[in-house]
Amino acid sequence: AQSVAQPEDQVNVAEGNPLTVKCTYSVSGNPYLFWYVQYPNRGLQFLLKYITGDNLVKGSYGFEAEFNKSQTSFHLKKPSALVSDSALYFCAVRAPMDSNYQLIWGAGTKLIIKP
Amino acid sequence: KAGVTQTPRYLIKTRGQQVTLSCSPISGHRSVSWYQQTPGQGLQFLFEYFSETQRNKGNFPGRFSGRQFSNSRSEMNVSTLELGDSALYLCASSSQGLNTEAFFGQGTRLTVV
Repeated sequence: AQSVAQPEDQVNVAEGNPLTVKCTYSVSGNPYLFWYVQYPNRGLQFLLKYITGDNLVKGSYGFEAEFNKSQTSFHLKKPSALVSDSALYFCAVRAPMDSNYQLIWGAGTKLIIKP
Repeated sequence: KAGVTQTPRYLIKTRGQQVTLSCSPISGHRSVSWYQQTPGQGLQFLFEYFSETQRNKGNFPGRFSGRQFSNSRSEMNVSTLELGDSALYLCASSSQGLNTEAFFGQGTRLTVV
C-alpha cells in the first residue's frame, strides 16, 4: 500500500538555525512529491514539488527539498529559520501508477521556531 | 485568477441536523477534493470528484456525501450531525495531471453543539 510518513510530530528550531522537516514515502514507481504549509485557521498552501530531474527542488519562502530515491525520502529544508516559518507542514505523494491520481498525505509536522 | 472559494467560513449546527458546504474551484480545474481536519486526526481524505464523477473515496460513513456540478463547483453534505463531526473542512482543486499541485480554500469551520 502507498503511504507517506512524517516521523516527527513536532520540530523545534531556534531562529537563524537551519531546519529540516522529514518525509519518507512508499509508492510503486517514481513518485511525484509535494510539500504544503498551513498557518493557523487557514487552508494549505503549496510550497514545492518534485516531478523529475534535479533532486534539489527550490520553492516558496526560501524552502527547498531534496529527493533521495535510495532512501525514499523528500525532506524539507531551509538554511536559516524565521519565526514566521512556524506552522504545520504536510508532505504528500502521488504514485504515477495510480490511475485514480490520488494524493496520499503525511500526518503533518508542527514546526516551532523560537526567537 | 481567483482562488478556491469555500462557503460558509463558519457554521454552527445542532446534533442531528444536516449541513451542506460549498466549494468553487479555480477556473479550469476539474478535480475537487474534500478533507476533514481535526486536531487529533490530522488531515483525512473524504472524497474527490472529477468531471462530476466521484473518482476516489476515503473511509467515512455514508452520512458524508458529495457531488460536483457541470461547472466543477462541488458540495459536500453531512447528515445526522454528530459532535465528532466538528472540524475544519477543506476543499482543494487541481487540474488534470499527476504532476499538478492542489490548491486549497480557506476551509469551513463546522461546530456541532
